[in-house]
Parts: sequence; structure tokens; C-alpha cells
Amino acid sequence: GENVGLHLPTLSVQEGDNSIINCAYSNSASDYFIWYKQESGKGPQFIIDIRSNMDKRQGQRVTVLLNKTVKHLSLQIAATQPGDSAVYFCAENPGFQKLVFGTGTRLLVSP
Amino acid sequence: NAGVTQTPKFQVLKTGQSMTLQCAQDMNHNSMYWYRQDPGMGLRLIYYSASEGTTDKGEVPNGYNVSRLNKREFSLRLESAAPSQTSVYFCATTQTSGGTGELFFGEGSRLTVL
Repeated sequence: GENVGLHLPTLSVQEGDNSIINCAYSNSASDYFIWYKQESGKGPQFIIDIRSNMDKRQGQRVTVLLNKTVKHLSLQIAATQPGDSAVYFCAENPGFQKLVFGTGTRLLVSP
Repeated sequence: NAGVTQTPKFQVLKTGQSMTLQCAQDMNHNSMYWYRQDPGMGLRLIYYSASEGTTDKGEVPNGYNVSRLNKREFSLRLESAAPSQTSVYFCATTQTSGGTGELFFGEGSRLTVL
């Protein structure tokens, strides 16, 4: 069935380090993937997306990598800052006009 | 420019009571969604509306009804609340209707059913 999951429920890093958040997806038909950031008490906010015809996409301090062979998605955050502390969700679109969200990874950044 | 506005932000109900969560957007988006978020479960889609006048079930529609009142407003109704419906509810919108594109979320409505 459709399943989007994360390998690490909590990731702790030092300020200035690079962070990598991983996500596994199970539906090989998914052709669109998206990362969201959710701060405590707020709604999720879009970070970056990628379509299945791409392997990599870069934004400001963030990079998403897609490995379709092993159905793996990762979010890299460069020079992590305390303001990056949040829960990060990956989501996939397996069709049917909807996104399927993973369970989330908490990123803790220490100053 | 408020974006996506949800009301109420907090609500406590007794089992069997009914209530409606309201969502309004000023982004002129076509598609609107209701999600629920439970600890360890991520976001799960309850209902969505691809465009004004249409609604469809998501992953977990049981116990809920929706109304797409106009392009701006999409409400979620619990007719007879149950403790299993204790959750944080998020409304979201997007311009596209195919499940791609950025979703814009409201701040959430925290519902507790006793």
C-alpha cells in the first residue's frame, strides 16, 4: 500500500553543521515529492519539491535528492541554524489528487 | 492578506456533540483540503475539494462531512464527536487540483473530545 516513512525520528545537530533528513517511499508510481517544515503550534510550510524526472533540486540552503531505484528521498540543509529546528515531513503524490505524508522527523539544532 | 484562516483554534467537546470547523482562504485557490494530524501518524487526508462544487473522500472520511460553500470556504463537520476524533485539524489550499504544487496550510484547530 501507500507508505511514506522516515528512518530517523529525531536528528540532533550542532549549529553550522549540515543536516540530512531521510525518507523512504513505497509507491513506485509516485511522480512528485515535497518536503514540509512544521514549527511547534503552526501549520506545515513548503520547503522544496521535486518531480520524478529529476534526481536533485536545490533551493536556498536546501537540497532534495531523489533516488528512484531504492525509492529514497532526502533533504539536506546546509549550515543548519537554530531556526531550522522543527519537524520535517516528506510527502509523495501517488496520484488521485492527493499527497501522502510521512510521519515526520524532528530536527533539533543546538547553538 | 491572511492566507488560510481556520476557526476555532481550540475546541473541547463531549462525546456525541456536533461542531463545524471553518476554513477560509483569500488566495483564490481552486483546491481545498482537510487533514488531521495525530502523534506518530503524520498528516492524513479527510476530505478534499478539487474545485468549487465538488468534494471527495480522502483516507479517513468516516465520521466527517464537508461543505464547499463557495470558492473561499470549506467547512468540516463532526455530527457526533467521538474521542477518536481528538486531533489537530489543518485546512490547506493549492491552486492546482492534481495533487502537485505547494499546499498552503492554516494554523490548525486543536479539538479535544471527552
